[in-house]
Amino acid sequence: QLQLQESGPGLVKPSETLSLTCTFSGGSSSSSSYYWDWIRQPPGKGLEWIGSIYYSGSTYYNPSLKSRVTISVDTSKNQFSLKLSSVTAADTAVYYCARHPRRGGMDVWGQGTTVTVSS
Amino acid sequence: QSVLTQPPSVSGAPGQRVTISCTGSSSNIGAGYDVHWYQQLPGTAPKLLIYGNSNRPSGVPDRFSGSKSGTSASLAITGLQAEDEADYYCQSYDSSLGYVFGTGTKVTVL
Repeated sequence: QLQLQESGPGLVKPSETLSLTCTFSGGSSSSSSYYWDWIRQPPGKGLEWIGSIYYSGSTYYNPSLKSRVTISVDTSKNQFSLKLSSVTAADTAVYYCARHPRRGGMDVWGQGTTVTVSS
Repeated sequence: QSVLTQPPSVSGAPGQRVTISCTGSSSNIGAGYDVHWYQQLPGTAPKLLIYGNSNRPSGVPDRFSGSKSGTSASLAITGLQAEDEADYYCQSYDSSLGYVFGTGTKVTVL
């Protein structure tokens, strides 16, 4: 059964770049049926879609974050990654990775990793 | 600010039926995009509850059901149980914004 696990620094300084990796086991990112997603949840708030990458490498970003976001995939390592530049305190959140089929909901999620932006 | 609006909270006694609405617009739900629902228990990742408007993944009790009409969708929980106390989110696709989540609804079992 596919499992996803986020990893990366829990503390990032303002103006720096947040970098997270999602590693999956029990499956492959090269599956032609899935998009691989990043979602975040600020403390006490709702879910926000950050962006997605298709197995082919095509990327789709939230317009409000597009100028600061890069999502990439490394199929050889069974990983996909998130980079968010010029972070501020507003980027403090639990960051989740997930996947969804072409037509379907996000059916597998990582446990989430907390990232705090603070000096 | 999410483009999918949900009531902040709903509550019900054990055994009762509760419904959660998800109101969108002509650029998302009304455009024909599917609606999915998630359950988020405290301190845990969201879990897919309903996909494609009304389909349940394997393992989700049939107490949970979804529907969609026009620019809105609904999640119904029948036979409410204490373990259903959680936050619930709808999700769809918007032609301008990409994937969007609802504002979230906290379900309280009285």
